[in-house]
Parts: sequence; C-alpha cells; structure tokens
Amino acid sequence: AQSVTQLDSQVPVFEEAPVELRCNYSSSVSVYLFWYVQYPNQGLQLLLKYLSGSTLVKGINGFEAEFNKSQTSFHLRKPSVHISDTAEYFCAAASGGYNKLIFGAGTRLAVHP
Amino acid sequence: EADIYQTPRYLVIGTGKKITLECSQTMGHDKMYWYQQDPGMELHLIHYSYGVNSTEKGDLSSESTVSRIRTEHFPLTLESARPSHTSQYLCASSEYRDRDSNQPQHFGDGTRLSIL
Repeated sequence: AQSVTQLDSQVPVFEEAPVELRCNYSSSVSVYLFWYVQYPNQGLQLLLKYLSGSTLVKGINGFEAEFNKSQTSFHLRKPSVHISDTAEYFCAAASGGYNKLIFGAGTRLAVHP
Repeated sequence: EADIYQTPRYLVIGTGKKITLECSQTMGHDKMYWYQQDPGMELHLIHYSYGVNSTEKGDLSSESTVSRIRTEHFPLTLESARPSHTSQYLCASSEYRDRDSNQPQHFGDGTRLSIL
C-alpha cells in the first residue's frame, strides 16, 4: 500500500532563515506528488505539484521541491522564510488515476522573529 | 478566490441530530471528495465521486453518506450525530482529464463539527 511519511512533525525556524520540510513516499508505480499548505481555520492550498518532467518544481510563495526517485523523496524548501509562512504543510501522493490522494501527517512550520 | 464553498464553517450540535454539510464548486469539476481531519493529524478520504450519480467510499470508514445529483454539489449527511463524529470535514474537487491524469485538488475552507 502506498504511504507518505513526513519526517518532522514540527520545524521551528527564525525569520529569513532557510527551511527544508522532508517528505518520503513509498510506491511501486508511477507517482504524482503534491505539497499543500493549511493556514489556521482554512482549507488546504496547493503550493506545488510534480506530475512529470523536471525534477525541480517551483511553486507559489517562493517554495520549491525536488523529486528524487532513487530516494523516494519530495522535500520542500524555501531559501528565506517569513513570519507569514507559519502554517501546517502536507505532502501528498497519488498513484495511477482517479486522483486518490494519500496525505502525510503534516509538518507544522513555526517561523519566529 | 475560493471556487469551492463549504457551509457551515462551524457547527456545534447535540447528539442524535441529523446533519448535512454542504459543499459546492463553481469550476465544473467532475471529481469531488470529502476528507476528515482531526487536529494535528493527516487527512483521511471518506467519500469521493467521479461525477453525477457516482459515489464511492474512501479509505477511512465513515458513518456518513453522500450524494451527487448535480455536478457542482456534493453534500455529506450524518443521520444521527455522535460525539465520535467531532472533527473537521474538508471538501475538495479536481478536474478530470483522463484515467491516468492526476490533477490537483482544490479545497474548501472546511466545516469544523462538534457534537455534544
């Protein structure tokens, strides 16, 4: 069965520092990968997606992620975070068709001044 | 710029009541989904639909039911609410292009449900 593991439940970081949120997936078939952000009391907003092509994917708000097939990873990065980036971040994977997504448990990013 | 709407945003109600959570999208998406999310936890798919008159149960067993009579509308119903149903419920939709294509899902802001 496919699974998604987010290796850190919480990541504290100072403003303007770089950050990496880690995500590993398990799948024996072609995979589609997504990062979503959830602000308090809101739904999920798509940050970026990997469907095919270039392994470096750029998303909104200055985030990017790199698909690494050999390590089955899809880590999210940002070179300089802002206070407004404080939120919960979810990695998700889908295999095959029908858009059924499997979500990781989430990583809470806390940006401190 | 939300194109997918959920109502109510918050609901506190007593045990035994019948509840319907509304979800509507204006994007013409064929696929729609309901997820359940407990605080600090991942999302679990409880229902999904490929189009009108299509509904399927998700990976997490749920006592709720859904219907899809119109493309834009995907309500979720609990016939008799219990405290164990307390959770956040998120609705999502996505475009269908072909069987092997996974288009991103667009989420509503969720309904936070508390059963007393």
